[in-house]
Amino acid sequence: DTEVTQTPKHLVMGMTNKKSLKCEQHMGHRAMYWYKQKAKKPPELMFVYSYEKLSINESVPSRFSPECPNSSLLNLHLHALQPEDSALYLCASSQKLADSYEQYFGPGTRLTVT
Amino acid sequence: AQSVAQPEDQVNVAEGNPLTVKCTYSVSGNPYLFWYVQYPNRGLQFLLKYITGDNLVKGSYGFEAEFNKSQTSFHLKKPSALVSDSALYFCAVTLYNFNKFYFGSGTKLNVKP
Repeated sequence: DTEVTQTPKHLVMGMTNKKSLKCEQHMGHRAMYWYKQKAKKPPELMFVYSYEKLSINESVPSRFSPECPNSSLLNLHLHALQPEDSALYLCASSQKLADSYEQYFGPGTRLTVT
Repeated sequence: AQSVAQPEDQVNVAEGNPLTVKCTYSVSGNPYLFWYVQYPNRGLQFLLKYITGDNLVKGSYGFEAEFNKSQTSFHLKKPSALVSDSALYFCAVTLYNFNKFYFGSGTKLNVKP
């Protein structure tokens, strides 16, 4: 199984809503990532988890709250988002933290904030 | 600071012709270089990487890339393009123990029948 799955595929939420994005992998990878991608732009790193511990937070606003409950699962909790947060949110995993290990990406969750 | 440049927003090529998608990098150290492809409404898909060793790297779907240290480049190539190769291509660089990738701005490849 070389797949990273993400749910939901699409999400529309109001600015006062609370929602969560879910990412799962069963490849035994110990590093997991959240990226935000605007249309026709490269992915921007948000968070990195290594062995279920937050390793990198790229100064992301607190309305985005990551969680890694176990080695296979990564969540992104959303609260009080702004319309400019609308984007494709990509999850990725790698065998270990970055450098020589390629990252495997999920298909993404298309988020629209109204 | 580390950076990656993809100088072409778009590359157009006829099916059956060779294709090249350009990437140059600037890092303070020995780079680890990657190419990813993204189809519409999909995540990124790994194509190939250069870590060390032979400068010519072969990857998925017939793609290859050549690491050129003197020109700080890592151009993606394919001898014969397919219409199905049409997608958005991203070059990325990282360093040993650096823990994050720097992505280029992306190049849209259009292969016409």
